[in-house]
Amino acid sequence: ETGVTQTPRHLVMGMTNKKSLKCEQHLGHNAMYWYKQSAKKPLELMFVYSLEERVENNSVPSRFSPECPNSSHLFLHLHTLQPEDSALYLCASSQLALAGKADTQYFGPGTRLTVL
Amino acid sequence: QQPVQSPQAVILREGEDAVINCSSSKALYSVHWYRQKHGEAPVFLMILLKGGEQKGHDKISASFNEKKQQSSLYLTASQLSYSGTYFCGTEVGGGGSNYKLTFGKGTLLTVNP
Repeated sequence: ETGVTQTPRHLVMGMTNKKSLKCEQHLGHNAMYWYKQSAKKPLELMFVYSLEERVENNSVPSRFSPECPNSSHLFLHLHTLQPEDSALYLCASSQLALAGKADTQYFGPGTRLTVL
Repeated sequence: QQPVQSPQAVILREGEDAVINCSSSKALYSVHWYRQKHGEAPVFLMILLKGGEQKGHDKISASFNEKKQQSSLYLTASQLSYSGTYFCGTEVGGGGSNYKLTFGKGTLLTVNP
């Protein structure tokens, strides 16, 4: 138990569906992240929110839309996905450190997404 | 640019040692090591900052060679619980973007009885 929860744990959706992934952190952190993990590929950073503002968008298609209403919650809204979007979606949080000091990211268990 | 991990996979017998390497083509500010067991979230192991620092806990330790832009993870007297995929995440440059990690593809470690 890392203090980061994700729901649902598994999701199957059609290409025309709209769904949302939810992440909640109970660690008092001020930064949250979405990663995509596909088979045989490295973890890919998708979005970063720092103090509830998006600071990084790693060229992610617009069919993925993040939302961070407060420092504890992060959503990933999905619409008109493609089969190649099937993957494990991981949420992480961290406490942004002082300048020059790296921070530790704590991961949630992930949502296994299958797009049919 | 993502770091390169080697080897891609390693199989050990309980009690044996292993070394996993993580190399970058860019100057590194920090290296983070994570372990992920099948079906679970990645779990943080340690961070190494530039300066050639070596860290460790229990029988897992790591080094960071700033000149070679490389970090190595050392697992000694391996236990069954060490099985999993080990990822390195690298932070390049001067540490200004201290939230952005780029991960390697991972090294699958299997420890057999």
